[in-house]
Amino acid sequence: KQEVTQIPAALSVPEGENLVLNCSFTDSAIYNLQWFRQDPGKGLTSLLLIQSSQREQTSGRLNASLDKSSGRSTLYIAASQPGDSATYLCAVSSYGGSQGNLIFGKGTKLSVKP
Amino acid sequence: GAVVSQHPSRVICKSGTSVKIECRSLDFQATTMFWYRQFPKQSLMLMATSNEGSKATYEQGVEKDKFLINHASLTLSTLTVTSAHPEDSSFYICSARAPVARGSPLAFFGQGTRLTVV
Repeated sequence: KQEVTQIPAALSVPEGENLVLNCSFTDSAIYNLQWFRQDPGKGLTSLLLIQSSQREQTSGRLNASLDKSSGRSTLYIAASQPGDSATYLCAVSSYGGSQGNLIFGKGTKLSVKP
Repeated sequence: GAVVSQHPSRVICKSGTSVKIECRSLDFQATTMFWYRQFPKQSLMLMATSNEGSKATYEQGVEKDKFLINHASLTLSTLTVTSAHPEDSSFYICSARAPVARGSPLAFFGQGTRLTVV
């Protein structure tokens, strides 16, 4: 059974710092991995999607890497801003299940202090 | 990207009543939709997979008689929480499986529904 773990559970940094969020998964047979942002009481915003054949994806100040063999992904946020404060979720889509359902980690709650 | 609309965004209901949540794919047809819920400080957990024209598939531990799912058309799935109790208070969110396109997500999410049962 696929399990997704995110470390740390919470992170507080001063504005301008670069930071890394970690995600690990137990079954390397994944179809893709996504990073989402969730604001309090709100839905999900998809940030980056990495296909199983890819090693990284970049969007603006965000860079996500994927090492499928070791079951790890990282989300790198450069020059953090207070507006980046949110919970960041990692989720994988696995082969074998209905493609499209995702298995989520518990998230990392990020707070960027001005 | 594709758009999925979920309604209502917030609902407060009395214990014992039923609540219906709608999930619509606005610009594509979705034969499969997924329902998740999220308790405070927990991860999103898949509750059930909704298939158009057939019965939903429920995850272990989810009561199918309590959480009624109807997927009567290719653009609409509904989740009805029957005889709601305070412990059903949670964040419910749906996603719809999209046409496969390389590099795109396999599913798109609605905005979520915050259910509070008092």
